[in-house]
Amino acid sequence: DAKTTQPPSMDCAEGRAANLPCNHSTISGNEYVYWYRQIHSQGPQYIIHGLKNNETNEMASLIITEDRKSSTLILPHATLRDTAVYYCIVTYTGNQFYFGTGTSLTVIP
Amino acid sequence: DTGVSQNPRHKITKRGQNVTFRCDPISEHNRLYWYRQTLGQGPEFLTYFQNEAQLEKSRLLSDRFSAERPKGSFSTLEIQRTEQGDSAMYLCASSLLWTGAKNTEAFFGQGTRLTVV
Repeated sequence: DAKTTQPPSMDCAEGRAANLPCNHSTISGNEYVYWYRQIHSQGPQYIIHGLKNNETNEMASLIITEDRKSSTLILPHATLRDTAVYYCIVTYTGNQFYFGTGTSLTVIP
Repeated sequence: DTGVSQNPRHKITKRGQNVTFRCDPISEHNRLYWYRQTLGQGPEFLTYFQNEAQLEKSRLLSDRFSAERPKGSFSTLEIQRTEQGDSAMYLCASSLLWTGAKNTEAFFGQGTRLTVV
């Protein structure tokens, strides 16, 4: 599975959109992009995933560039409860995920 | 559906003792995964089962570690002769057979925090 690069930390004002970038320049054509988040002392929580097309669900939107070398997770209206570590993962088997160290997002009141 | 359940939530043990953790996956999920997470790091894959078959093991899973899923339902992870370096959060996850489609994502439990003193 390809590796990902994420900024170690980001801040976002409450109520504003949080845009979390992820670089996956070595992604192959059949690898999916998954996003999970982990709130302190809890297990990771699935957010969204996609292959080529942009995706949206009740939690977030996932924007994948046309060349698939990068993606952005968008939390449209960040709340204090969105403060967490966000992990971007690419996989083509789903057998195991390489989480890396993720992006620590702090939502500021 | 109560999600993935892990027991105990916390375990403190003395070095050299054996410990066993239990994971109850979401019913009907045929895949079950174990991960380990140390402070400040993301979860690291240990092993996964498809039904009762253990299909993949990480190099992190030393010979002191053993995992079982005897009837394809709950799973246990045992650590023999614990060392201080085993102190970590042990996470279990389950999923349907992965296809990349929606509803085949993995759901994680709250983890078991092990402290070896």
